Amino acid sequence: GAGVSQSPRYKVAKRGQDVALRCDPISGHVSLFWYQQALGQGPEFLTYFQNEAQLDKSGLPSDRFFAERPEGSVSTLKIQRTQQEDSAVYLCASSLLVNSYEQYFGPGTRLTVT
Amino acid sequence: AQSVTQLDSQVPVFEEAPVELRCNYSSSVSVYLFWYVQYPNQGLQLLLKYLSGSTLVKGINGFEAEFNKSQTSFHLRKPSVHISDTAEYFCAVSEADAGNMLTFGGGTRLMVKP
Repeated sequence: GAGVSQSPRYKVAKRGQDVALRCDPISGHVSLFWYQQALGQGPEFLTYFQNEAQLDKSGLPSDRFFAERPEGSVSTLKIQRTQQEDSAVYLCASSLLVNSYEQYFGPGTRLTVT
Repeated sequence: AQSVTQLDSQVPVFEEAPVELRCNYSSSVSVYLFWYVQYPNQGLQLLLKYLSGSTLVKGINGFEAEFNKSQTSFHLRKPSVHISDTAEYFCAVSEADAGNMLTFGGGTRLMVKP
């Protein structure tokens, strides 16, 4: 079966542009996570969905960041009015069950804001 | 809130030598512990996890780790490394009953030399 996929793999945006990053989790996985990984650092939690419900968005760095998962499968992370400090790799992960601690990660989207 | 410290940002080692990558965490509650590996331009792959039970856990690719509650450590070891083990390694924790989000350390780059 297919793993977690993310698109685009690379995105270059001019400062001030809006971007949308897509995550396709493994089919049937209930939980979905977004993480931000700055260059040379470990991933940092952004937000968490259980099915279509966004249960935790405490890691979103500002109100320019917005995530949704309307049908409980595909998720989109949107960043409005991008800034240079938004440049990072955005990782999506999914897990099968609510209490399953094994997260499967996608390859990430590398966002560069110029 | 929990935190994770990986004491070495880089570990150079010769092929077939043993290696230990150090990880310490802090948390006021019970935690689950993980090691992930990240190859260039790829997502994170789970190496091993500690949820409960035996404190010595074995993972893929010949890696193992030992949970030491008194020292709040979860060091990763391999008795004989291969060139293909060259990658970035991340230690991560998740607080029990806290939504499964992962908190990562800053990563250790393992560089295996011939």
